[in-house]
Amino acid sequence: AQRVTQPEKLLSVFKGAPVELKCNYSYSGSPELFWYVQYSRQRLQLLLRHISRESIKGFTADLNKGETSFHLKKPFAQEEDSAMYYCALISGSARQLTFGSGTQLTVLP
Amino acid sequence: DAMVIQNPRYQVTQFGKPVTLSCSQTLNHNVMYWYQQKSSQAPKLLFHYYDKDFNNEADTPDNFQSRRPNTSFCFLDIRSPGLGDAAMYLCGTGQGGSYEQYFGPGTRLTVT
Repeated sequence: AQRVTQPEKLLSVFKGAPVELKCNYSYSGSPELFWYVQYSRQRLQLLLRHISRESIKGFTADLNKGETSFHLKKPFAQEEDSAMYYCALISGSARQLTFGSGTQLTVLP
Repeated sequence: DAMVIQNPRYQVTQFGKPVTLSCSQTLNHNVMYWYQQKSSQAPKLLFHYYDKDFNNEADTPDNFQSRRPNTSFCFLDIRSPGLGDAAMYLCGTGQGGSYEQYFGPGTRLTVT
């Protein structure tokens, strides 16, 4: 069965500092991985997916199959990045999501 | 705006008293999902509808049922809520074959 692990429940960094949110997965097939974000009082929404290899709001994530990781990175954190971040893996014909338990990122002024 | 709507946002029910949570969408997506999220835990998929086909996750308790009368609406029925069913319930939608899911704001269920 697939599993997504986010080892850090809480992460605090200062504004302008680099940030990395860790995600590891286990999946028998070829994984499709995503980062979802939930800002305060807002709904869960897609941030980025590994296939697109694009940068969204300054965030990037690289799939490392050897280490089974999909860490989310941003070189200079902003206060508006404070949110809950979920790493997720998609599977099945209906594209079901398996989520990690989330990391609450706080960017301090 | 096209969106996913969940009603009510907060629901209080008594132990053992049936409760229904509602989700509607204006995105015309053919897949609708229900997730349960307990405090400090990952959202966990309970079941989904792919068009009219109902798909239950293997570990979803029988106490949880769902109905999808049409494309736009999907309901989560909890037949006999226990204290352990208190959680946030998220409704998501997606278009079959596409990767992105869209979520409602969630319904927070309290069981007294």
